[in-house]
Amino acid sequence: EPEVTQTPSHQVTQMGQEVILRCVPISNHLYFYWYRQILGQKVEFLVSFYNNEISEKSEIFDDQFSVERPDGSNFTLKIRSTKLEDSAMYFCASSEAGAHVDTQYFGPGTRLTVL
Amino acid sequence: SQQGEEDPQALSIQEGENATMNCSYKTSINNLQWYRQNSGRGLVHLILIRSNEREKHSGRLRVTLDTSKKSSSLLITASRAADTASYFCFLTGAGSYQLTFGKGTKLSVIP
Repeated sequence: EPEVTQTPSHQVTQMGQEVILRCVPISNHLYFYWYRQILGQKVEFLVSFYNNEISEKSEIFDDQFSVERPDGSNFTLKIRSTKLEDSAMYFCASSEAGAHVDTQYFGPGTRLTVL
Repeated sequence: SQQGEEDPQALSIQEGENATMNCSYKTSINNLQWYRQNSGRGLVHLILIRSNEREKHSGRLRVTLDTSKKSSSLLITASRAADTASYFCFLTGAGSYQLTFGKGTKLSVIP
């Protein structure tokens, strides 16, 4: 069964450094998402991406975040200058149609630790 | 905000019993989905119910939706120890692209 994959599974970085989190969505899916979950808290929507552009973003997704689909398979989340409060699990998801009508399939997550 | 609120926050039952979790929300929705998350792992989709549907079944899962009360329930029948996980409702706003997870119900099924 196809699945969403994410790398790395755990990333440790120093405050102020740039990190890139990578995701490979399911191949025939057209909609891609990033969510984050701070330890012990609920999953929060960051951004959705369709047709090579951001379709929706939350207030969390400020100028330090960016997303890109650099090739036909990868979907990346870049955090330009990490802060301590960026420490969280980051989940990528994809869906065939938009999330408001269709199921999202989530990857296993990347645990980001900012020191 | 479309925030979903699950209750109870935590639920502990014996294996074989039924587990019921509820989700309430504030404004109109397009659909409501339930996801499951094992500790420290990713989210697994369980079931999607559209705003014009009232009940849906999938195996041992039964979901109901009452749009007049702005609430949904997830029933897991004949629970198993492997059902131990956190369960989240996920809301998509009608006429908007709001995507919101609730805070979750932590279910513990004791063998």
